[in-house]
Amino acid sequence: DTAVSQTPKYLVTQMGNDKSIKCEQNLGHDTMYWYKQDSKKFLKIMFSYNNKELIINETVPNRFSPKSPDKAHLNLHINSLELGDSAVYFCASSQMPGQGNTEAFFGQGTRLTVV
Amino acid sequence: AQSVSQHNHHVILSEAASLELGCNYSYGGTVNLFWYVQYPGQHLQLLLKYFSGDPLVKGIKGFEAEFIKSKFSFNLRKPSVQWSDTAEYFCAVRRNTGGFKTIFGAGTRLFVKA
Repeated sequence: DTAVSQTPKYLVTQMGNDKSIKCEQNLGHDTMYWYKQDSKKFLKIMFSYNNKELIINETVPNRFSPKSPDKAHLNLHINSLELGDSAVYFCASSQMPGQGNTEAFFGQGTRLTVV
Repeated sequence: AQSVSQHNHHVILSEAASLELGCNYSYGGTVNLFWYVQYPGQHLQLLLKYFSGDPLVKGIKGFEAEFIKSKFSFNLRKPSVQWSDTAEYFCAVRRNTGGFKTIFGAGTRLFVKA
């Protein structure tokens, strides 16, 4: 009964390919996020969705496209993968601020390696 | 722009030493504050959080943090570290109104020598 689950855990792919990472949360949260953690462990938010609506879109190449079919899922699709996309991608979820004092719960991460 | 600063990037301690990791943020409004820990090869786990009330909050594994509003700080402390505390520690801030994102500091890598 994992709270936030991501698949796959590891992904190795060649430059130029298109890949997707899936995320599901069973916490009943309204808000979901994608974070990128680079090789220096720096965590940067990429996207946030609230009830299937895009709320935050940081400066991310448009090769990255999030998709939220329902509020429990937030998938990340990446087109034309580049070497610099290699990182660990974390999905997270939380209640909306002001609607419950909860922290963000993180998934296990997906280690993406582009070769 | 809102930012979170962690002053120490790498900390090396011997077991039983005391720990204090600094965290300052730049946002002036009401905030929620967090410390997360990431053990090697694992995901982020919450150590402790502050939303309101007593500015001294206690978390898991003997960690505590103190919110000092006038200094925009939320430093993490542990009186006696263990080898198993070796991990990356992240301070994080979320605006309590109008914002949906949690901003993380750059992290502090703690290595505890046995």
